[in-house]
Amino acid sequence: EAGVTQFPSHSVIEKGQTVTLRCDPISGHDNLYWYRRVMGKEIKFLLHFVKESKQDESGMPNNRFLAERTGGTYSTLKVQPAELEDSGVYFCASSRVGEGYGYTFGSGTRLTVV
Amino acid sequence: ELKVEQNPLFLSMQEGKNYTIYCNYSTTSDRLYWYRQDPGKSLESLFVLLSNGAVKQEGRLMASLDTKARLSTLHITAAVHDLSATYFCAVHPIYQAGTALIFGKGTTLSVSS
Repeated sequence: EAGVTQFPSHSVIEKGQTVTLRCDPISGHDNLYWYRRVMGKEIKFLLHFVKESKQDESGMPNNRFLAERTGGTYSTLKVQPAELEDSGVYFCASSRVGEGYGYTFGSGTRLTVV
Repeated sequence: ELKVEQNPLFLSMQEGKNYTIYCNYSTTSDRLYWYRQDPGKSLESLFVLLSNGAVKQEGRLMASLDTKARLSTLHITAAVHDLSATYFCAVHPIYQAGTALIFGKGTTLSVSS
């Protein structure tokens, strides 16, 4: 089966611009998660979708971040306007509902805000 | 605050040597994960440890879990260059309704001849 796909793999934008990251989960995986790793720090949870519903968005840093998952398939994470501290690697992961042990991660999007 | 602490954060090893990476966590957890990440690649699941005393081995890597001490170890036996990567441990807090994981900072392993 195809893995979790994220794009772009890299993005360099200027402070104040908008960027949209996309994640395509494995087909049939209703759970979708976004995580972020700022350089040298932990990978931190951002939010969790079950199908198109936000199950937990407690990790979203502020209202400049907007995540959507229309139709319960792919998800987008928009940062608007981007700030320098938003730089990092954004990971997406998916899993089947009821299979809480297994997560498949994408290769991440490296976002650099200059 | 929930914390997962890995040490060391950087590890330079010679081929053929043994070493252990430690993962301490601050909350009760019902499962612990070890992941491997190669540069620019996704996190690859290595082990999921579910109970106290669990031990799992795959090739030169062996992971164990002591839930009473809130400690997991990832032991590397006779390191080879192919094991060079960043290794993360992550826990799922037992009280947490969701399924989000708490990660450590990762251990970057470099194996040289």
